[in-house]
Amino acid sequence: DIQMTQSPSSLSASVGDRVTITCRASQGISNYLAWFQQKPGKAPKSLIYAASSLQSGVPSKFSGSGSGTDFTLTISSLQPEDFATYYCQQYNSYPLTFGQGTKVEIK
Amino acid sequence: QVQLQESGPGLVKPSETLSLTCTVSGGSISSYYWSWIRQPPGKGLEWIGYIYYSGSTNYNPSLKSRVTISVDTSKNQFSLKLSSVTAADTAVYYCARQGGAYDSSGYYHPSIDYWGQGTLVTVSS
Repeated sequence: DIQMTQSPSSLSASVGDRVTITCRASQGISNYLAWFQQKPGKAPKSLIYAASSLQSGVPSKFSGSGSGTDFTLTISSLQPEDFATYYCQQYNSYPLTFGQGTKVEIK
Repeated sequence: QVQLQESGPGLVKPSETLSLTCTVSGGSISSYYWSWIRQPPGKGLEWIGYIYYSGSTNYNPSLKSRVTISVDTSKNQFSLKLSSVTAADTAVYYCARQGGAYDSSGYYHPSIDYWGQGTLVTVSS
């Protein structure tokens, strides 16, 4: 199985901050990487696929980059509705695997 | 707008079989891959397996011996059965669509685009 490791596991940030979350795969996955946002008690929401392509309806403050083993998710200007847990997921090979999550909290 | 809705018992006894159904509305199930994913309370996400509308399946090896996923295209539904459950199987179970899209280089990406709201299944006597 491909292991996905996110860092940090949690972070505190203020409204308006630029936030970057990192995801590393245990082996190369090309750009077969997705990002999801999950708020407490809710289902995950799909944000990004193909490492950098926004899902329909996702605001452009979210951006993704990377290829191979190292990827990032950036939120350009953090807003109150962005405080949540973010997961990366590889779909280069099965079984699909997720990172452990990064919780973005209010400072 | 595609919507997915999980249904099934919220309480299952140890050693019994967990059964859930996902009903798809706003689109046909007769395309794409359809997955089950679970999340134990306070923990991360685990992919269980998928079924293609044609009936082909792929399961997580960690659960393969206990999992069966099936599809009923006439009802626009797909289902999960997990046998011999224990307390470790207590989780929120999500169904999801791997809708897929093409990247700028023309490669197909079967990524998850739609999720159900999830249903909590507790394993307890």
